[in-house]
Amino acid sequence: GENVEQHPSTLSVQEGDSAVIKCTYSDSASNYFPWYKQELGKRPQLIIDIRSNVGEKKDQRIAVTLNKTAKHFSLHITETQPEDSAVYFCPRNQFYFGTGTSLTVIP
Amino acid sequence: GAGVSQSPSNKVTEKGKDVELRCDPISGHTALYWYRQSLGQGLEFLIYFQGNSAPDKSGLPSDRFSAERTGGSVSTLTIQRTQQEDSAVYLCASSHNDSPAYEQYFGPGTRLTVT
Repeated sequence: GENVEQHPSTLSVQEGDSAVIKCTYSDSASNYFPWYKQELGKRPQLIIDIRSNVGEKKDQRIAVTLNKTAKHFSLHITETQPEDSAVYFCPRNQFYFGTGTSLTVIP
Repeated sequence: GAGVSQSPSNKVTEKGKDVELRCDPISGHTALYWYRQSLGQGLEFLIYFQGNSAPDKSGLPSDRFSAERTGGSVSTLTIQRTQQEDSAVYLCASSHNDSPAYEQYFGPGTRLTVT
């Protein structure tokens, strides 16, 4: 089955800096790559996703890039703000979310 | 429109008691998922329903856990003979297709505390 590894498990950045979270996958047939964000005490929400026919997708300060050759996709957050502090997940298949990446933006 | 709702929002129960948690998915969504999230932990998949197909129960941690979905809509997760390790937030999500290429919409969760 699909195996997805997410790195790092924790990340701290200064406000205004960029943050990058990477997920590697094993199944070449994978064609959908979502990122979910879960703020403390709240429910997970989809923030951005990308399909395999696209290499990059941007939405304001967040972007996702896909490297199908290397089988990894990354979440990029620029000009980080305290409200970006959350756990970010790149689920494999439909319902294996794992433990995610805990991002802390230091004011 | 209305999102996914769950009830109760909080539940405190004594060890050994049975509990029922309810999920109302978004109208028209055919896929429904249950997850468990312990304090500071990731999302643990429990069970998945898709239309009239047999549910995927591969994530249920023990036979004390069961779930049903009536009429392709509302779902109930039942935990029998609760244990302290069952304490967690139970999240429900729905999506409008069973393909993995569709967004899951999560409910606010039920916080279960077993004393």
